[in-house]
Amino acid sequence: AQKVTQAQTEISVVEKEDVTLDCVYETRDTTYYLFWYKQPPSGELVFLIRRNSFDEQNEISGRYSWNFQKSTSSFNFTITASQVVDSAVYFCALDGFNKFYFGSGTKLNVKP
Amino acid sequence: DGGITQSPKYLFRKEGQNVTLSCEQNLNHDAMYWYRQDPGQGLRLIYYSQIVNDFQKGDIAEGYSVSREKKESFPLTVTSAQKNPTAFYLCASSIDGTASYEQYFGPGTRLTVT
Repeated sequence: AQKVTQAQTEISVVEKEDVTLDCVYETRDTTYYLFWYKQPPSGELVFLIRRNSFDEQNEISGRYSWNFQKSTSSFNFTITASQVVDSAVYFCALDGFNKFYFGSGTKLNVKP
Repeated sequence: DGGITQSPKYLFRKEGQNVTLSCEQNLNHDAMYWYRQDPGQGLRLIYYSQIVNDFQKGDIAEGYSVSREKKESFPLTVTSAQKNPTAFYLCASSIDGTASYEQYFGPGTRLTVT
C-alpha cells in the first residue's frame, strides 16, 4: 500500500531559526517519485520539488534543502533561516502510478 | 499567463442542489485531477482524467461526477447524493498522467452547503 506520513501536525518557530519538516513514506514500488508542495493561506498548492527514487543526492535551492534517504523511507525538508513568508502548510506526496498520495500536511508558523 | 483557473472562489448552495465547479487550464496538459481538502487534512482524490473523453474514479468519487469534453476543461459536479459536500476543492493538471510529472494546482473553490 502507498502511504505518506507527516507526523508533525504543526510547528512554530521564530524567524531566522532553521526548521525541518519530516516525511516518511511507504511503497512497494521500486521506482517512484516524491514531491513537496507549499500551501499558503490563499489555498493554492505550489510545487517545490520532485525527486525520483534513484536519485538520493540531497538537493539545495536557496534556503530550502531536501534529504532523501531510501534506507529509512524518508524525504525530509529543511528551511534555513526561516522567514515569516514561509508560514504555510507543507505537503509531502508520493506518486503511485497515476495517483498522488498526500500526507496530512505540516502547518509551519514562523513568528517575527 | 499559463495556469489553472477555478471559479468561483467561494460558492454557497442549499442542501439538495447540485452544483458544478469550473476548472480550466491553458497549459496544454493532458491530465487533470480533482481533489477535496477538509480542514486539517491532506488532499483526497475525487476523479482524474488522463485524456479527453476519459476519466477514472479516485478514492472518494461517490456523490460526484465529471466530464472531459475538451482538453482544457474538467468540470466537477457535486450532486445531492454527496453527504458532506462542504469542503475546499482543488483542481490540478499535469503534462502526462501516465508518468510521474508534478501536478500544478488552481486556486481552489470553497464550497459551503447549508
